[in-house]
Amino acid sequence: AQSVTQLDSQVPVFEEAPVELRCNYSSSVSVYLFWYVQYPNQGLQLLLKYLSGSTLVKGINGFEAEFNKSQTSFHLRKPSVHISDTAEYFCAVSDQASGAGSYQLTFGKGTKLSVIP
Amino acid sequence: NAGVTQTPKFQVLKTGQSMTLQCAQDMNHNSMYWYRQDPGMGLRLIYYSASEGTTDKGEVPNGYNVSRLNKREFSLRLESAAPSQTSVYFCASRSQGYRPEALHFGNGTRLTVT
Repeated sequence: AQSVTQLDSQVPVFEEAPVELRCNYSSSVSVYLFWYVQYPNQGLQLLLKYLSGSTLVKGINGFEAEFNKSQTSFHLRKPSVHISDTAEYFCAVSDQASGAGSYQLTFGKGTKLSVIP
Repeated sequence: NAGVTQTPKFQVLKTGQSMTLQCAQDMNHNSMYWYRQDPGMGLRLIYYSASEGTTDKGEVPNGYNVSRLNKREFSLRLESAAPSQTSVYFCASRSQGYRPEALHFGNGTRLTVT
């Protein structure tokens, strides 16, 4: 079984400052990793994903994340945040052993990012 | 391109009432999912359908039933609603393959059970 821990439930940050949202996972097999963003009263949308290859993954809206296998982490970063980045961010994991049809995502509990003007 | 459409957007039920949440996708996706979102709990999988004609339980299936009506539509039914089922429900879909393509989410149904 796999699990995801998002270490901070809320992160306030001033506009134009850098931010890091932390995510750790546990799994007995190799995994795929995702970050999703949820704006108020909307569904989730994909920010970025790590499937294989380069451990530094770039996503939409200037976000990037780094996969660290030894630390079982997939932290999300942005060098300079904007007011429009205020949202809830979810880390998610899927193990590579899942078959195509049974592939499921396990989500973390979310981190609310508040950007302060 | 509408993507994933959920109806209704809001619903208030009394304990013991039943209702069906509807979900339709127009992306020709094979797999569809129902999640519930509760504060501080993230998203938890209720049921999923890997392909038309199949459904499977997720993490929290008790109190729910699903129907994969056709490739486009996947409904979630609450037979006898309970206050513990107050939540935001999300439907999602993805194309099937051995590479995990992203889930596409609807905008949710906000359900309150009194």
